[in-house]
Amino acid sequence: SQTIHQWPATLVQPVGSPLSLECTVEGTSNPNLYWYRQAAGRGLQLLFYSVGIGQISSEVPQNLSASRPQDRQFILSSKKLLLSDSGFYLCAWSWAGRGDTQYFGPGTRLTVL
Amino acid sequence: SQQGEEDPQALSIQEGENATMNCSYKTSINNLQWYRQNSGRGLVHLILIRSNEREKHSGRLRVTLDTSKKSSSLLITASRAADTASYFCAATGGGGADGLTFGKGTHLIIQP
Repeated sequence: SQTIHQWPATLVQPVGSPLSLECTVEGTSNPNLYWYRQAAGRGLQLLFYSVGIGQISSEVPQNLSASRPQDRQFILSSKKLLLSDSGFYLCAWSWAGRGDTQYFGPGTRLTVL
Repeated sequence: SQQGEEDPQALSIQEGENATMNCSYKTSINNLQWYRQNSGRGLVHLILIRSNEREKHSGRLRVTLDTSKKSSSLLITASRAADTASYFCAATGGGGADGLTFGKGTHLIIQP
């Protein structure tokens, strides 16, 4: 069976500090990978998706970047956090070649102070 | 993918009652999905209905799709306290790998 992990679960960071959130998937090969952000009381916003190693598509211009150094590893980064980066970050995967059903990780709650 | 808009934004019912949530979208689709999110957790896929289907069941869940009205509904029968969560729909138009677009969801509260 497939599992998806995210860490850390919660993070409190000062403005201007760097960020690195990690997501890994087990039990599948060449998955599509996604990063979403959910601001308080709002829906999910797609940030990045990847169909393979080193292939990153960005949905919105922002202070964040993503990388996929390994097949089942997806990293969300920032060099300098802003207050507006606070939110709930969710990683998800779907079967290669298909973007319909997605399977979400437990999320990371990021608070920027 | 395109955004689905859920309605109502909030719904509070008594345990045992049925809960109905609606979703509207704007352009033609291949399928529509419903997800559930418990507070502070990730989303869980509930059910997917394809554009050539009109109704689909899964346990206590019943989803309908009306492509002429560009709308879908999710019915939860015999609600339980554990059904308290936010429910999101997402409509997809193609078979690509692009991400899903969600609305703000319907926050369902089941009163014991």
